[in-house]
Amino acid sequence: QSALTQPASVSGSPGQSITISCTGTGSDVGSYNLVSWYQHHPGKAPKLMIYEVSERPSGVSNRFSGSKSGNTASLTISGLQAEDEADYYCCSYAGISTSVFGTGTKVTVL
Amino acid sequence: EVQLVESGGGLVQPGGSLRLSCAASGFTFSSYAMTWVRQAPGKGLEWVSIISDSGGGTYYADSVKGRFTISRDNSKNTLYLQMNSLRAEDTAVYYCAKGQCTSCPFDYWGLGALVTVSS
Repeated sequence: QSALTQPASVSGSPGQSITISCTGTGSDVGSYNLVSWYQHHPGKAPKLMIYEVSERPSGVSNRFSGSKSGNTASLTISGLQAEDEADYYCCSYAGISTSVFGTGTKVTVL
Repeated sequence: EVQLVESGGGLVQPGGSLRLSCAASGFTFSSYAMTWVRQAPGKGLEWVSIISDSGGGTYYADSVKGRFTISRDNSKNTLYLQMNSLRAEDTAVYYCAKGQCTSCPFDYWGLGALVTVSS
């Protein structure tokens, strides 16, 4: 149950696109299309942004999109806005009803 | 409106015990799996445990297996986490969250409860 690997920080200017990677193994990300992404503003409840690799829950902006290739999943935020500044975590199902989170990425809007 | 409210956090000595509760409202509690996720100070999220809708299935991270017990009372719409043999590294904000199933994403979360393990 080792944490998935994410870059510690990613930054971009308003309007730009950024991509956050999430690298796991063949036992988690590579085995299941059950990767989700969470946005977390400190002091608030984490929010589900993407599930099943690329599906968006109702109410989440279409500026957020997800994809996966092999053992690496990615979250892309297009048209970056000031309100997108937050911590982002990927999460993958890892079998036998267990899950594993990524190390987290701090997104800064310049 | 879905609401999840954690309670029971506090300061406890190493080796001690604590029980967290998560009061749920705004949805049919007995139809959803529930999970606990924690965040140590300055660290990322860590999945801790999950329980099926009926309570018949419980699963744990290796880091807490044998020390923590997840349970639920569907008649009270409440989720619990009994934490025994606490260690300094268990210090964290503990969040409860709901999901459609034990392999499903966590679609609503609470604000968390702080547990501090220190002498």
